[in-house]
Amino acid sequence: AQSVAQPEDQVNVAEGNPLTVKCTYSVSGNPYLFWYVQYPNRGLQFLLKYITGDNLVKGSYGFEAEFNKSQTSFHLKKPSALVSDSALYFCAVRDPLNSGYSTLTFGKGTMLLVSP
Amino acid sequence: DSGVTQTPKHLITATGQRVTLRCSPRSGDLSVYWYQQSLDQGLQFLIQYYNGEERAKGNILERFSAQQFPDLHSELNLSSLELGDSALYFCASSVGGFLDSYSYEQYFGPGTRLTVT
Repeated sequence: AQSVAQPEDQVNVAEGNPLTVKCTYSVSGNPYLFWYVQYPNRGLQFLLKYITGDNLVKGSYGFEAEFNKSQTSFHLKKPSALVSDSALYFCAVRDPLNSGYSTLTFGKGTMLLVSP
Repeated sequence: DSGVTQTPKHLITATGQRVTLRCSPRSGDLSVYWYQQSLDQGLQFLIQYYNGEERAKGNILERFSAQQFPDLHSELNLSSLELGDSALYFCASSVGGFLDSYSYEQYFGPGTRLTVT
């Protein structure tokens, strides 16, 4: 079965500082990994994905994520945080070997708070 | 704006009642997914439809059912509602929905907030 863990309920960072939101996964095959962001009272917005190829993936709004197969991690990063980045971030995984269907498994989410 | 629409935005109803949530996917997307988001359970996958056929089931209760119509819009029916069914219900869509679609991201609608009193 596929699973994903976000070990931090909340991450606090000052504006202008780099940020990291952690994600680890467990799948039986090669994972497809996704990051989504949810602003208050809004649906989830797709940020970026890793399917294959370069381990460093660039996405929307200056975010990037690094896939590390040996550590089974897919941490979300941004070099310089903005107050407007404050939101709930979800990591998700899909295991192509899992029953043939395209379901996503989401982590519990990490609240990112960027202070001015 | 993701292109996925959901109606209604808010729904308040009493225990024991039945409600229907509606979703229209992005133009060209064949798959529709339903999710439930609550504080204690997080984001839970309920069910997926692809081009009118059920493709995958997650943690969906027997009191809940869904369908996808020929025009690809989908409805989620919740019956015999309980207080614990109060949650945000999201619909998402993607281009594919079966073995060809593992790489495709899902696009989420704004959600329907259901309150059961």
